[in-house]
Amino acid sequence: GAVVSQHPSWVICKSGTSVKIECRSLDFQATTMFWYRQFPKQSLMLMATSNEGSKATYEQGVEKDKFLINHASLTLSTLTVTSAHPEDSSFYICSARVVVKNTEAFFGQGTRLTVV
Amino acid sequence: GQSLEQPSEVTAVEGAIVQINCTYQTSGFYGLSWYQQHDGGAPTFLSYNALDGLEETGRFSSFLSRSDSYGYLLLQELQMKDSASYFCAVRLPHYYNQGGKLIFGQGTELSVKP
Repeated sequence: GAVVSQHPSWVICKSGTSVKIECRSLDFQATTMFWYRQFPKQSLMLMATSNEGSKATYEQGVEKDKFLINHASLTLSTLTVTSAHPEDSSFYICSARVVVKNTEAFFGQGTRLTVV
Repeated sequence: GQSLEQPSEVTAVEGAIVQINCTYQTSGFYGLSWYQQHDGGAPTFLSYNALDGLEETGRFSSFLSRSDSYGYLLLQELQMKDSASYFCAVRLPHYYNQGGKLIFGQGTELSVKP
């Protein structure tokens, strides 16, 4: 099956620093990846659509200068949270769309970010 | 705008059958998916409906009525390990320039009791 690997699984950083989260498709090529944020007991909120070789498409209300997305290859997308603040603490999850039979999307393991 | 409504929580006993409903209102529709998420984990795909009717996958079944903008997930022979959050999600079509993205409902927390 399709495997999406996300790294790191958890990270603690100081306010004002930047954190990079990687999302890799291990056994398939993903021209499109999606980045979500999830607060405890809440839904997955789509932040942006990452397109290989072009600029990401951000959802309304998501600061593109704060959440930098790079999709430099068909197997890697990165999300960088710049100048992190405690309110950025959340669970960040990437996914890649794979259409195999009726399967829709596979998700990375998620990254628990805590900003102190 | 996009909105998906599902109950916030459901409780059932082992061996029972539970149905989780989802109504949606979206600017475009390509299909309805269901995902399971355990605490601290990533969502895992359960089922997908693009056309009206019932899709069955083992103990899980999903139903869709496009005319009613409604779907449900049916879980049979409940087990303790089924305790998790369940999300319905609408896939938006590409031609709306949405990139085929998924929009999730708020999630239903299912608690299975012995």
